[in-house]
Amino acid sequence: DSGVTQTPKHLITATGQRVTLRCSPRSGDLSVYWYQQSLDQGLQFLIQYYNGEERAKGNILERFSAQQFPDLHSELNLSSLELGDSALYFCASSVELTGRVGPEAFFGQGTRLTVV
Amino acid sequence: AQSVTQLGSHVSVSEGALVLLRCNYSSSVPPYLFWYVQYPNQGLQLLLKYTTGATLVKGINGFEAEFKKSETSFHLTKPSAHMSDAAEYFCAVNSWAGTALIFGKGTTLSVSS
Repeated sequence: DSGVTQTPKHLITATGQRVTLRCSPRSGDLSVYWYQQSLDQGLQFLIQYYNGEERAKGNILERFSAQQFPDLHSELNLSSLELGDSALYFCASSVELTGRVGPEAFFGQGTRLTVV
Repeated sequence: AQSVTQLGSHVSVSEGALVLLRCNYSSSVPPYLFWYVQYPNQGLQLLLKYTTGATLVKGINGFEAEFKKSETSFHLTKPSAHMSDAAEYFCAVNSWAGTALIFGKGTTLSVSS
């Protein structure tokens, strides 16, 4: 158990709909990352939040957005869903350290989104 | 920009044989390198990491990897494969604390008896 909790585990929805994925990071971790895993694209970094503020953006579509709340949990919102959005969405968290020390990220079990 | 290339999307070995999964990286600054494993329907679990210091890194489940700067490589090895090693393996890189990991496309390891 990584300590990162994602809900729901599975989600099936129709095209055009909007869904929200939730992530609770490990206790004490300030950074939250969202990744999308699909067969053709592999693991793609979407967005990172640190202590409530957006830190970095990756290959995130404009239809997708995220936020991190004061209690540090994060939500990823996916709207106007298309068939191609079907994927496994992972949340990861890490401790923010000063200096050049690279912490590993701890991953949740993922949310499998199926758009039909 | 950083990137990771994993050579071979699928590797098959016999139980007891050497496991070698290849990873090459590109980074304009000294990298931090990671290997993660993903079992079916599971999240990613850290196997090992290289940040600084000793270039031969030992991880969990008998895996190790060697950072070779001259070859920009970080190949993962295990002397003797076990059936339970069958999974997907991802190599990843980042350069600064608190930055997102960039992953390779993954290598699926199959182990036959």
